[in-house]
Amino acid sequence: SAVISQKPSRDICQRGTSLTIQCQVDSQVTMMFWYRQQPGQSLTLIATANQGSEATYESGFVIDKFPISRPNLTFSTLTVSNMSPEDSSIYLCSVRQGGDYGYTFGSGTRLTVV
Amino acid sequence: AQSVTQLDSQVPVFEEAPVELRCNYSSSVSVYLFWYVQYPNQGLQLLLKYLSGSTLVKGINGFEAEFNKSQTSFHLRKPSVHISDTAEYFCAVNSRIRSGANNLFFGTGTRLTVIP
Repeated sequence: SAVISQKPSRDICQRGTSLTIQCQVDSQVTMMFWYRQQPGQSLTLIATANQGSEATYESGFVIDKFPISRPNLTFSTLTVSNMSPEDSSIYLCSVRQGGDYGYTFGSGTRLTVV
Repeated sequence: AQSVTQLDSQVPVFEEAPVELRCNYSSSVSVYLFWYVQYPNQGLQLLLKYLSGSTLVKGINGFEAEFNKSQTSFHLRKPSVHISDTAEYFCAVNSRIRSGANNLFFGTGTRLTVIP
C-alpha cells in the first residue's frame, strides 16, 4: 500500500493567518482526499483532489476557506485560510489504491488556532 | 444515503478480557464495511474490511468482525485485549461523494481503554 508523508505534524497558529499542509505519496494516485477531525469527533471529508482539475468540495466546505492544490499525481496541499479557533482540528490526507477499497491515511496535522 | 452508528463512545475493559465494539450501518448501495484504529497522535490504520464473501473477517492484531446483513451490523471483537489496544476505533461504510467517486463515511468512534 502507499506510504504518505504529511507535514507539518502539528502547528500552533494565530487567528487570521493561514497554514498550508502538504501530503507526499510514494506512488502515483489518481485521487487524494482531505479530511477534518474536530476534537473528540469523527472524520469529515472536506474535498477530493484530482490532478489537473479543480477539487470537489463536500457540503459545508468552500474553496475560499480550504484551497487545495494538486500539481501532480504524488503531491497535494490543503490550505486553511483566515483561521479562527474553530478551525482547531486534525487534518488528514488519504489516498485510495486499487479496486479493493485500499485507503491509506497520512499521520495527520494537529492544528491549534489561538 | 449512508450512515454509521457506533453505539458506545467509550469502552473500558480489563487487560486480557474480551471486547466487542458495536457498529450498525444503513446504506442504499452495496455495502462495504471497514474498521480503522487511531492510536494517540497518529493517523488511521486499517484493521479489517468486508467487501464480499465470508461474513467473518479476520484482521490485524487479533481482531475480527462479523457482517450481519439482517441486523445491519458489523461488530468488532477481540478475545483478549492488551494494553497496546488502547486507541480510538472507527467503523466506516462506503459512500458516494460529490465528485462521483467512492469514499468512506465514518462513525463517531469508540474509545477503547484497556485497564491493567
